[in-house]
Amino acid sequence: ETGVTQSPTHLIKTRGQQVTLRCSSQSGHNTVSWYQQALGQGPQFIFQYYREEENGRGNFPPRFSGLQFPNYSSELNVNALELDDSALYLCASSLASGNTDTQYFGPGTRLTVL
Amino acid sequence: QKEVEQDPGPLSVPEGAIVSLNCTYSNSAFQYFMWYRQYSRKGPELLMYTYSSGNKEDGRFTAQVDKSSKYISLFIRDSQPSDSATYLCARPYNTDKLIFGTGTRLQVFP
Repeated sequence: ETGVTQSPTHLIKTRGQQVTLRCSSQSGHNTVSWYQQALGQGPQFIFQYYREEENGRGNFPPRFSGLQFPNYSSELNVNALELDDSALYLCASSLASGNTDTQYFGPGTRLTVL
Repeated sequence: QKEVEQDPGPLSVPEGAIVSLNCTYSNSAFQYFMWYRQYSRKGPELLMYTYSSGNKEDGRFTAQVDKSSKYISLFIRDSQPSDSATYLCARPYNTDKLIFGTGTRLQVFP
């Protein structure tokens, strides 16, 4: 059974650019959640996808968008990057929407915006 | 006021010490909490979850919820250098999403 994987590991962008981060969920998991973790802070919920549909969103602007594919992998897209977008972006997968105690996190993608 | 609050630390203890990590929460309706451990450059991993009041034990780890004071605690017995990590308390929101505290960084030195 493979765990949650994310790519790339690190990324450096400049203000105004766009970025796409990728996540492969754990085998058999159909729900993917994305979190942003700023330095010294806990993860903040961005949004969740369940069976290719957005299933809830946190307090993030529309320039944060996502996709989930039929194989349940997912992308996080951020447009018009700002300096404050610099953070660790975490993806978590779970068996089904509603099973809070089975969210498995990937290692994250560290994004630096200059 | 944040929904779940933690002292960021760092907390530095010698090997073998009993560690107490704490969170406070704002809404007495919360009944389900989790503790995650996050090693440097890794994603969080679920350590324990607990419902409502009382204790839950798993090996060297004990989770405790005190509803009257809205306090969540994680105790680590016989702490090891391998326990050095950031510990995050969390609670579910709308059954699926997690709301995390800021995390407490723990360092266990030999």
